[in-house]
Amino acid sequence: AQSVTQLGSHVSVSEGALVLLRCNYSSSVPPYLFWYVQYPNQGLQLLLKYTSAATLVKGINGFEAEFKKSETSFHLTKPSAHMSDAAEYFCAVSSNNAGNMLTFGGGTRLMVKP
Amino acid sequence: KAGVTQTPRYLIKTRGQQVTLSCSPISGHRSVSWYQQTPGQGLQFLFEYFSETQRNKGNFPGRFSGRQFSNSRSEMNVSTLELGDSALYLCASSSGLAGTYNEQFFGPGTRLTVL
Repeated sequence: AQSVTQLGSHVSVSEGALVLLRCNYSSSVPPYLFWYVQYPNQGLQLLLKYTSAATLVKGINGFEAEFKKSETSFHLTKPSAHMSDAAEYFCAVSSNNAGNMLTFGGGTRLMVKP
Repeated sequence: KAGVTQTPRYLIKTRGQQVTLSCSPISGHRSVSWYQQTPGQGLQFLFEYFSETQRNKGNFPGRFSGRQFSNSRSEMNVSTLELGDSALYLCASSSGLAGTYNEQFFGPGTRLTVL
């Protein structure tokens, strides 16, 4: 069974600082990988996805992630944090090639200090 | 195009009762997946319906069931509610085509509280 591990349930950065949220997955085949963001009292919004194309994936709101098969990692980064980035972020892997059975990591709550 | 809608947004029930949640997918989407989000267990896949048939199922007890109608709207039902069923229930819709990636679009969720 696939699993996803997000290192750090809470991450705090200053506004303007680099954001780095870590995600490691376990899978026997190259999966589809996703990062979602969840704002309070809302559903999940897709930030970006890796579907076996370029290993460096650019998403919305200035986020990007790099797929590293050798490290089984898919870390999320943003060069400069903004107050509006404060939210919970989830890394997920698809359990099938249709992308409709997602296994999620535990989530990382990002706090941005002024 | 309207997004995924879920009703009701908030629900309070007592132990032993049953509850039905509704999800209307994006127009044209035929797949609806349901997820449970709790502080302890995180986000977990419940099941997926496609063309009125359950196509995939997660590891949840039989108290959790669902169905899909011909217009692709889906309902999930939880019988004999337990305190641990308190959660945010999210549904996601996609085109559902097999063998190819289909982006899932999530609704805002229904927050169920069991007292």
